[in-house]
Amino acid sequence: GAGVSQSPSNKVTEKGKDVELRCDPISGHTALYWYRQSLGQGLEFLIYFQGNSAPDKSGLPSDRFSAERTGGSVSTLTIQRTQQEDSAVYLCASNKRTATDTQYFGPGTRLTVL
Amino acid sequence: GENVEQHPSTLSVQEGDSAVIKCTYSDSASNYFPWYKQELGKRPQLIIDIRSNVGEKKDQRIAVTLNKTAKHFSLHITETQPEDSAVYFCAAGEGFQKLVFGTGTRLLVSP
Repeated sequence: GAGVSQSPSNKVTEKGKDVELRCDPISGHTALYWYRQSLGQGLEFLIYFQGNSAPDKSGLPSDRFSAERTGGSVSTLTIQRTQQEDSAVYLCASNKRTATDTQYFGPGTRLTVL
Repeated sequence: GENVEQHPSTLSVQEGDSAVIKCTYSDSASNYFPWYKQELGKRPQLIIDIRSNVGEKKDQRIAVTLNKTAKHFSLHITETQPEDSAVYFCAAGEGFQKLVFGTGTRLLVSP
């Protein structure tokens, strides 16, 4: 079946602009994560959605970052007033239900802020 | 909340040697411990996982061990090959709590 998809695959923007990154999880997966990965670095947790529960936003680095998950499926990560330090690969992942289910990653969106 | 520490951050071995990566976790409730491999420019992918009801699991050249008392688990790769070169991430989680990843280990296998 289809895996996790993300769009766009690459995004170049100018400092100060807003960007939206999209994630389509595997159908039926109730858990969805966003991570940020800077070049050569680890997986920085941003936000976790689990079913209809309030999302865990503890990883969002500033109030310029927000995310929504509509209808329990598609998620959008929005970065307002982008800064150069926001440049990174943004990875989305989903798993079926609980943490003990395999987490599948999307291909990522490479964001470059000029 | 859960905290996962991973060591070493980089590991260089000769082809054919064994490699061991270690992780510790803080939350005794965690009961699931996966390992992910991320090749350069690719997404992380699950290579092996272990649940708290077993102490060891093997899959060909890869094995994972778990010590619940000490709250640590390890990835063992035997007879390493150049294609094993990648970044490896451990993680820990349980139930509806979020899965927490370690900081990653960059493994370089030299021919």
